Amino acid sequence: GAVVSQHPSRVICKSGTSVKIECRSLDFQATTMFWYRQFPKKSLMLMATSNEGSKATYEQGVEKDKFLINHASLTLSTLTVTSAHPEDSSFYICSALTGTGNTIYFGEGSWLTVV
Amino acid sequence: AQSVTQPDIHITVSEGASLELRCNYSYGATPYLFWYVQSPGQGLQLLLKYFSGDTLVQGIKGFEAEFKRSQSSFNLRKPSVHWSDAAEYFCAVGADRGSTLGRLYFGRGTQLTVWP
Repeated sequence: GAVVSQHPSRVICKSGTSVKIECRSLDFQATTMFWYRQFPKKSLMLMATSNEGSKATYEQGVEKDKFLINHASLTLSTLTVTSAHPEDSSFYICSALTGTGNTIYFGEGSWLTVV
Repeated sequence: AQSVTQPDIHITVSEGASLELRCNYSYGATPYLFWYVQSPGQGLQLLLKYFSGDTLVQGIKGFEAEFKRSQSSFNLRKPSVHWSDAAEYFCAVGADRGSTLGRLYFGRGTQLTVWP
């Protein structure tokens, strides 16, 4: 079946640096992907919609300049956390919508720890 | 705006017992509804979804859910729980259609513990 893969699964970075998380659809093309953030023992919060070939659409309250999203191909979206701070530490999950537009697959998630 | 309420933060059941996880949504039109399961530190696995049609939806792993418009509910059920069902369960609602169907709004989750 369809698979969405995220990389890295875990990353530790220093405060002030930037870190990139990749989300790939492995066996289908995804014109639209979605990024979520999950705090420990909390629900998932939708951050943005990643659109292939165009700018991402951010949810209210999400800093566009902090969380840069690039969807350069039909199988890859990247989330870059810029100038990371400890409060950015979280579990980031992406999802992708299949070409038929009625099935959503989630990646395995990426743990980000900022020290 | 759409929202999802999962009233139960934590539920404990004995193995073999029946299970019902509650989910209530708020949305003006007919929503798309989903149930996902998450094991610790892992991504989400889709259990089942409702778009339209039969209000009783069958999913994987023996789960089912019933959409009740009058109650704005989409409760998840399983007749006999297995120890491997212990996980976090999330109900989600999607208000968009088409290319932004994946814009989902999640409930806070229900942690299921299964006693042997």
